[in-house]
Amino acid sequence: GENVEQHPSTLSVQEGDSAVIKCTYSDSASNYFPWYKQELGKRPQLIIDIRSNVGEKKDQRIAVTLNKTAKHFSLHITETQPEDSAVYFCAASSFSGGYNKLIFGAGTRLAVHP
Amino acid sequence: NAGVTQTPKFQVLKTGQSMTLQCAQDMNHNSMYWYRQDPGMGLRLIYYSASEGTTDKGEVPNGYNVSRLNKREFSLRLESAAPSQTSVYFCASSEAVGSRNTIYFGEGSWLTVV
Repeated sequence: GENVEQHPSTLSVQEGDSAVIKCTYSDSASNYFPWYKQELGKRPQLIIDIRSNVGEKKDQRIAVTLNKTAKHFSLHITETQPEDSAVYFCAASSFSGGYNKLIFGAGTRLAVHP
Repeated sequence: NAGVTQTPKFQVLKTGQSMTLQCAQDMNHNSMYWYRQDPGMGLRLIYYSASEGTTDKGEVPNGYNVSRLNKREFSLRLESAAPSQTSVYFCASSEAVGSRNTIYFGEGSWLTVV
């Protein structure tokens, strides 16, 4: 079946550094790539998304890039802060059974140290 | 604004017992989902309902049944719980099933099967 691979599984950075999380997907027809942030014990929440007709999208300290040829996309967080510590999930849309559904990566646990 | 509400938040079951997880959304969304989250496995789709009156299997449907009671409510039933079903369960909803629809998650239900 379709799958999404996410790396690294854990990431530790110093406050103020940048963090990069990378995902690859297998379904060449995927056209929607959201990123979710999940704080400990909380629900996943959408932080940014990108569609296949765009190569990059930025929202303040967060940016996402997409390379459709290579089938990978990345999340970039600049000037990291302790409140960025969380698990981040990437996802890619996958069309099957008549519907487009999201397939999630396994997650990256980001720790930002003061 | 409640969004997606699911109950119970915590449950301990004995092997072989049955239970139903309840979910309701107040966003007038057409599509609803049940995911399970296990360490290192990301979010895996159990079942989804594209619209009222329809349900379909996701990635990991075995051992579960669902009911779309009405537009607001989507329940998940474990008929005979097994330790492998120990997990965190998230209900979610979106305006429609499609690559351009943001998925909103409930707060999660922690289920332990002993």
